Amino acid sequence: ETGVTQSPTHLIKTRGQQVTLRCSSQSGHNTVSWYQQALGQGPQFIFQYYREEENGRGNFPPRFSGLQFPNYSSELNVNALELDDSALYLCASSSIQGGPQHFGDGTRLSIL
Amino acid sequence: GENVEQHPSTLSVQEGDSAVIKCTYSDSASNYFPWYKQELGKRPQLIIDIRSNVGEKKDQRIAVTLNKTAKHFSLHITETQPEDSAVYFCAAAGGTSYGKLTFGQGTILTVHP
Repeated sequence: ETGVTQSPTHLIKTRGQQVTLRCSSQSGHNTVSWYQQALGQGPQFIFQYYREEENGRGNFPPRFSGLQFPNYSSELNVNALELDDSALYLCASSSIQGGPQHFGDGTRLSIL
Repeated sequence: GENVEQHPSTLSVQEGDSAVIKCTYSDSASNYFPWYKQELGKRPQLIIDIRSNVGEKKDQRIAVTLNKTAKHFSLHITETQPEDSAVYFCAAAGGTSYGKLTFGQGTILTVHP
């Protein structure tokens, strides 16, 4: 059984740029959630995707957007990057909405 | 929205002792409470979870208790080992935030040999 995989593992960008992060869900999982984890803090919910539609969103501005594809993989896009966007971005998948969520290793995003 | 408070922020124990981490939540509609262990530089790992129709759940050395009336839940680790050292996060979900996990601030657990 393949777990949740994310790419890239690390990324360095400058302010104002745009970034796309990718996530492949665990085999058999159809729901993908994205979280932002700042250093020393708990993960914060960005949004969740189910059947290719956004299904819940946290307190993040519209420049954070996403997609889910028919194979349940997902992308997180962030436009107009700000210094405060520097964080670990985690993807989690679950087999049902509201079910146990299993995390990937994350993408470490650094904004210069 | 949901708010989860976690205590203590750091916990230091001797190998073999028990460790208890407590969380409180604000949304009475929340019905799912997982616990994650995160080692330095690694992914959060689900170690145990409980739903609101159950008061206690145990898995070997780990147990979670839930008090719905008081809106708090706790993680209990018995016979701690140095490899239990990590950051532990509690979370809550359900009700109007179905599928959205709201995390506590984390507890740094250090188990001294």
